[in-house]
Amino acid sequence: DTGVSQDPRHKITKRGQNVTFRCDPISEHNRLYWYRQTLGQGPEFLTYFQNEAQLEKSRLLSDRFSAERPKGSFSTLEIQRTEQGDSAMYLCASSFLAKTWSGANVLTFGAGSRLTVL
Amino acid sequence: DAKTTQPNSMESNEEEPVHLPCNHSTISGTDYIHWYRQLPSQGPEYVIHGLTSNVNNRMASLAIAEDRKSSTLILHRATLRDAAVYYCILRGEGGSEKLVFGKGTKLTVNP
Repeated sequence: DTGVSQDPRHKITKRGQNVTFRCDPISEHNRLYWYRQTLGQGPEFLTYFQNEAQLEKSRLLSDRFSAERPKGSFSTLEIQRTEQGDSAMYLCASSFLAKTWSGANVLTFGAGSRLTVL
Repeated sequence: DAKTTQPNSMESNEEEPVHLPCNHSTISGTDYIHWYRQLPSQGPEYVIHGLTSNVNNRMASLAIAEDRKSSTLILHRATLRDAAVYYCILRGEGGSEKLVFGKGTKLTVNP
């Protein structure tokens, strides 16, 4: 397994355009997370999936943001009508948690997709 | 969300031990303490986690205070490759299963 893959690694777009990021998690992982990171800050949680179900969304996730994980494998994060404030690194992570969750959750992160909105 | 407090930056010399502190005074009884690190231009990387007892793995040791309101990540012999931002992390509040990152501690390792 090559770990968590994210595509594209870099995206430059003009304000108002739509962008989509893809994340391929580690194959046996049932949980998938999206985070956003701006310069000098720690990653901010956006949303997470258990299999194909989106179980939690941050208040940061405006209606311009949508995430899907249609078959419980890869996930996409789409940003519509991009704004300059959306410029950030978008990080995907995955983990495996059994149904009887013990409380420890070890995430494996991808290298991220950097978005620049001009 | 669950809060942790870490120094903004720390400095160490190569091959010396490093103790990275973290305060988490509002931690709940069942919350694990996680540590991740982020090297430049990379995604965060898992380091270690613990609940009550001190923990060791090949990367580091985690010392947890008896009252669990603070913990210390110990790198036994810092190398230049350990230069990174280190995050001490708890889960979100109210049963949330997300991990909440703060700003972390930027560790500089001098040769």
